[in-house]
Amino acid sequence: DARVTQTPRHKVTEMGQEVTMRCQPILGHNTVFWYRQTMMQGLELLAYFRNRAPLDDSGMPKDRFSAEMPDATLATLKIQPSEPRDSAVYFCASGPTRETQYFGPGTRLLVL
Amino acid sequence: GQSLEQPSEVTAVEGAIVQINCTYQTSGFYGLSWYQQHDGGAPTFLSYNALDGLEETGRFSSFLSRSDSYGYLLLQELQMKDSASYFCAVRRDDKIIFGKGTRLHILP
Repeated sequence: DARVTQTPRHKVTEMGQEVTMRCQPILGHNTVFWYRQTMMQGLELLAYFRNRAPLDDSGMPKDRFSAEMPDATLATLKIQPSEPRDSAVYFCASGPTRETQYFGPGTRLLVL
Repeated sequence: GQSLEQPSEVTAVEGAIVQINCTYQTSGFYGLSWYQQHDGGAPTFLSYNALDGLEETGRFSSFLSRSDSYGYLLLQELQMKDSASYFCAVRRDDKIIFGKGTRLHILP
């Protein structure tokens, strides 16, 4: 049963530190997404890749966030420097199309 | 303005039928998806409608009316495990936009 995997599952860090989150999409899926979920804002799209090319990162704070796909089996989301307001659950999702997305378990980030 | 509108909460009784509605803005619309999310879990894909009509998958059905800019998720024979949040999502041009979610409470 193919699944999207994410590491780490939980991360507690101090303000100003770099945070790197990793995602392994389902093999064969050519679309990959990064989302952030908070109680206040709900599910927000941060970045979207198709065939490893970034197509939309308009939802991502560019000054501190970056997303990459160094190869088809790895997507990364980095925050540098992290701030308390970045505390959230970060989901990676992949899919054969944009409309059909399979989510990973998420990384629960707490920035103190 | 708000791109997607869905009720924040719905309550129903175990064994009953419940409908969760979603209305959207039409510009650039391609299709409507539904996701389920249990507390502490990740969203799970349920269905996608690109054309008008009803799509059925077991106890769950999803409906779309493009002329009314409206869709719904229908859950039949409700079970306690269906207690979760349900999100509609639209593809508009090149973007995927999620609604705020509907929290479904099921009473025994």
